[in-house]
Amino acid sequence: EAQVTQNPRYLITVTGKKLTVTCSQNMNHEYMSWYRQDPGLGLRQIYYSMNVEVTDKGDVPEGYKVSRKEKRNFPLILESPSPNQTSLYFCASSLQGYENQPQHFGDGTRLSIL
Amino acid sequence: GDSVTQMEGPVTLSEEAFLTINCTYTATGYPSLFWYVQYPGEGLQLLLKATKADDKGSNKGFEATYRKETTSFHLEKGSVQVSDSAVYFCALSDSPSGGYQKVTFGTGTKLQVIP
Repeated sequence: EAQVTQNPRYLITVTGKKLTVTCSQNMNHEYMSWYRQDPGLGLRQIYYSMNVEVTDKGDVPEGYKVSRKEKRNFPLILESPSPNQTSLYFCASSLQGYENQPQHFGDGTRLSIL
Repeated sequence: GDSVTQMEGPVTLSEEAFLTINCTYTATGYPSLFWYVQYPGEGLQLLLKATKADDKGSNKGFEATYRKETTSFHLEKGSVQVSDSAVYFCALSDSPSGGYQKVTFGTGTKLQVIP
C-alpha cells in the first residue's frame, strides 16, 4: 500500500529537549515536504526537498532542521524545542515536484512542548 | 506571493443539502488548483484537482471549476451526507522558478453535516 508514515503520532516533551520526527514514503517520490497546521492559519510549509541531499526552506523554517540522506526518508529535527512549536505536523511527498502533482500526506504528528 | 482565501467555517448543513465552499486565489504564474479533505485524526487526502483554466475536477460527487477570470475554484456538492463531515482545504501549486513545486494552502473550512 502506497503511504507516507510518520512517527511518533503523539509526543509531549519539554523545552530544550532535542527531538526528531521521522517520515518515510514507499512511493519512490522525489519531492518531500514538512508542514505545520495551526488553527486559523491552515498549513504552512517548513522545509522541502527536491531530491536526495537537496533541501530548502519553506515559509516557517526557524527552529527546525531537516536532512535527506535517502530518497524515502525525510526526518524533521527540533534541536531545542520551544512552546511555540506546539503544533500538528504533516509530512507529504509527491512525484517529481511538478505543479500538477498532488501531495500524499502522512497521518500527522501532534507535538506538545511544555 | 501566492495566496489562497477560503470562506471561514464552520459550515453546518442538513443531510441532502447543497454545498458550496468558496475559494479564491492570487498567483503570479499558471497554477494548478486542488481541494483536499481532512477527516478527524487523519492527514489530508486529495479530493479533486484542475490543472488549467476551465478544467472541472470531480470526485465522490464533489465538483470544482478552475475560473481564471474570477480567480476562483469553488467546491460544490449537490447532496451532502453525514460522512462528508470533515475539513476542506483549497490549495494552489505553482512553480515560481521552474523545476520545483510551491504549494500554498487556504486556512481550511470545517463542514458538519447533521442527519
